[in-house]
Amino acid sequence: QVQLVQSGAEVKKPGASVKVSCKASGYTFTRYYMHWVRQAPGQGLEWMGTINPKGGSISYAQRFQDRVSMTRDTSTSTVYMELSSLRSEDTAVYYCAREPTTVTILDYWGQGTLVTVSS
Amino acid sequence: DIQMTQSPSSLSASVGDRVTITCRASQSISSYLNWYQQKPGKAPKLLIYAASSLQSGVPPRFSGSGSGTDFTLIISSLQPEDFATYYCQQSYRTPWTFGQGTKVEIK
Repeated sequence: QVQLVQSGAEVKKPGASVKVSCKASGYTFTRYYMHWVRQAPGQGLEWMGTINPKGGSISYAQRFQDRVSMTRDTSTSTVYMELSSLRSEDTAVYYCAREPTTVTILDYWGQGTLVTVSS
Repeated sequence: DIQMTQSPSSLSASVGDRVTITCRASQSISSYLNWYQQKPGKAPKLLIYAASSLQSGVPPRFSGSGSGTDFTLIISSLQPEDFATYYCQQSYRTPWTFGQGTKVEIK
């Protein structure tokens, strides 16, 4: 069965960076794009960007363009999202989610990773 | 960016009620509209894709309609497990954007 398993919660200080991982299993890793979506406490969902695990091409939301980096390791079927220059407003749950090739949806989601930014 | 506006932001309903949630896009998105359900502490779950297609395993009491800029999610007979927050999302153009959510609460 398809599973996306994310790394554990993180606490970071303002100005630091965080790297969240998302390990995929149960399907062919390189056939599905992976997206990152975040949710601040009590707030809605915000799309951050996407990576094509096959070639590594990426597309980021403009507001994160200069602070986010999405990478993948095909040998371990893992994607990573690194966010730098953290500020308190980046406190959120970060989700990875899979996009099938045939339709533009997010059909499987990771369990979420809480990143807390606090001095 | 394409703005997605849902209404209402919240509603109270009883088990068995018919519930309607609307979503409006700031420009035409054809049928590139998806609906997700989210329960507290959980990841969102896909309900409806391409405006009106029911995701596998989702009960048929959920339905979606619309195209262009105006979309609707209907729950025909609300069940206890349906109390949650619902989000619309456009996948017409990046950045993909979500509505602000509609919280469905127990009356």
